[in-house]
Amino acid sequence: KAGVTQTPRYLIKTRGQQVTLSCSPISGHRSVSWYQQTPGQGLQFLFEYFSETQRNKGNFPGRFSGRQFSNSRSEMNVSTLELGDSALYLCASSLAPQGLNTEAFFGQGTRLTVV
Amino acid sequence: QQQVKQSPQSLIVQKGGISIINCAYENTAFDYFPWYQQFPGKGPALLIAIRPDVSEKKEGRFTISFNKSAKQFSLHIMDSQPGDSATYFCAASGGGGATNKLIFGTGTLLAVQP
Repeated sequence: KAGVTQTPRYLIKTRGQQVTLSCSPISGHRSVSWYQQTPGQGLQFLFEYFSETQRNKGNFPGRFSGRQFSNSRSEMNVSTLELGDSALYLCASSLAPQGLNTEAFFGQGTRLTVV
Repeated sequence: QQQVKQSPQSLIVQKGGISIINCAYENTAFDYFPWYQQFPGKGPALLIAIRPDVSEKKEGRFTISFNKSAKQFSLHIMDSQPGDSATYFCAASGGGGATNKLIFGTGTLLAVQP
């Protein structure tokens, strides 16, 4: 069974640009969550999607957005990039939003560098 | 109330020793407590998880101890090996509603010396 696939693995963008990151969850998983990982702030929750609906949103500015498609694949977008957006962006895949099967499996992440 | 506090920040253990990492939480509605292991350049990998209805869970050399009244849980790595050297994160989720949102601890960098 293939794991969580995130593309691209690495990105370098300039301040003010926008970026779109992609995540393909494990086959059969319908819940996708996004996290930002930085040395200073650790792992912080961005948002969560289930069946194309945003279930939960973290404390990030509106420049951060996401969506989920009918095949459960998800994208997140960051507009007007700032230097502080440089981070490892991680996608986590879960079978369902509640219940016993709440194990979250992470992809390898997309390393975003803003210059 | 949403925080998960993790200690120590770093840990050095000799090969064969026991590594112990502790976490504490405030939100009594949390009902799922996983531990993740992360190697440099990789995403976090689910190691072991526990729910509040049990006080201990063991999988191979890894054991979670859970103290509901103290709102604390810990990871014990028995017979620690150099290959266990990684960053370990505790996390918590739950609290009602349809969500898998994880609140992570700040991480523990474990170094197992040969």
